[in-house]
Amino acid sequence: AQKVTQAQTEISVVEKEDVTLDCVYETRDTTYYLFWYKQPPSGELVFLIRRNSFDEQNEISGRYSWNFQKSTSSFNFTITASQVVDSAVYFCALSEAHNNAGNMLTFGGGTRLMVKP
Amino acid sequence: SQTIHQWPATLVQPVGSPLSLECTVEGTSNPNLYWYRQAAGRGLQLLFYSVGIGQISSEVPQNLSASRPQDRQFILSSKKLLLSDSGFYLCAWVRWTGNTEAFFGQGTRLTVV
Repeated sequence: AQKVTQAQTEISVVEKEDVTLDCVYETRDTTYYLFWYKQPPSGELVFLIRRNSFDEQNEISGRYSWNFQKSTSSFNFTITASQVVDSAVYFCALSEAHNNAGNMLTFGGGTRLMVKP
Repeated sequence: SQTIHQWPATLVQPVGSPLSLECTVEGTSNPNLYWYRQAAGRGLQLLFYSVGIGQISSEVPQNLSASRPQDRQFILSSKKLLLSDSGFYLCAWVRWTGNTEAFFGQGTRLTVV
């Protein structure tokens, strides 16, 4: 069964600090996809990144970067020089390619990030 | 293009009243559809999924039910709402095209009073 753990339920930082959100996953599938979503107060999920299990390259997009390590089953997300607009709940999710539920996404519990000015 | 519509956006219902939330998708056929719920301050919990018309699988026992009357329509219902049904409900469509892609509705914030 697939499982995602986000151990940090809430993080508070001061603007311009760097912050890393942890994500650890469990799966028996050899092909799977990992996602990060941002959920602002309005509630909708904003897609940030998708990574497949065969691509361990780290990715950088502006102030965002992701570190995927299969050896530790982790897919951590770092925000550099955080801004107040980064305040939101962030979800990590996993989708197995060979799942009877049609590639459903399993979400972690989410991390609430508060960036103070 | 592929889109997913979910309504209503907000809903306040008394305890014991019925519920019907609707989700429709455009730009695809035979989608895999999902209903998630987010209780206040909690994560996203999968409630139901459907891989085809009339096919519903439930992930957790609850006061809710789901139906898939048409290929691109997924409905979440309850005959009698409980206070514990309050939360944020998200409809999702997931497809595999060499990569897994997921699309989410705007969500429905349900308050049972």
